[in-house]
Amino acid sequence: GAGVSQSPRYKVAKRGQDVALRCDPISGHVSLFWYQQALGQGPEFLTYFQNEAQLDKSGLPSDRFFAERPEGSVSTLKIQRTQQEDSAVYLCASRTRTSGSGRNEQFFGPGTRLTVL
Amino acid sequence: AQSVTQPDIHITVSEGASLELRCNYSYGATPYLFWYVQSPGQGLQLLLKYFSGDTLVQGIKGFEAEFKRSQSSFNLRKPSVHWSDAAEYFCAVGGVTGGGNKLTFGTGTQLKVEL
Repeated sequence: GAGVSQSPRYKVAKRGQDVALRCDPISGHVSLFWYQQALGQGPEFLTYFQNEAQLDKSGLPSDRFFAERPEGSVSTLKIQRTQQEDSAVYLCASRTRTSGSGRNEQFFGPGTRLTVL
Repeated sequence: AQSVTQPDIHITVSEGASLELRCNYSYGATPYLFWYVQSPGQGLQLLLKYFSGDTLVQGIKGFEAEFKRSQSSFNLRKPSVHWSDAAEYFCAVGGVTGGGNKLTFGTGTQLKVEL
């Protein structure tokens, strides 16, 4: 079946522009995560949704970052007034079950590579 | 707070040689431990995971890992490396409290395979 998809795959933005990154999780997956992967680093947690509820946004680096999942499926990560330090790969992952089932696999999308000039 | 250390940034091995990638974690309780592989332009693919039971776990592509609580380690091994194994490998720990069991990743080990 189809895996997690993300669009666009590549995004170049001028400093100060707003961007929106989309994630289509695996159908029926309840949990959705966003991670940020800077060059040469491992992914770092940004935020977590259970269905449409954003239960943890402790990893969002500033109030310029905003995520939503209004219908409990597709999610959008929005970055306002982009800065050069926002340049990174943004990964989305989905998981079939809810919190408390951390033993279950998170399935990752290919990521969106954001470059801020 | 949970954390993961992968002490080797780069490793080069000859095709057919054995491989061991090191991973040390810090976590207060029994952790959920994962190894993921990332090829260029690709998402992360799960190789194997440990959450309880037998401390030696088998994964895909001939990989295995051993959980050693006394050493806080979860090293990844493969007896004979193939050229297609060249990629970046990430160890991750998942907690049982909060954040939907978000994953905390190490900084990764880049594996190069010499033919």
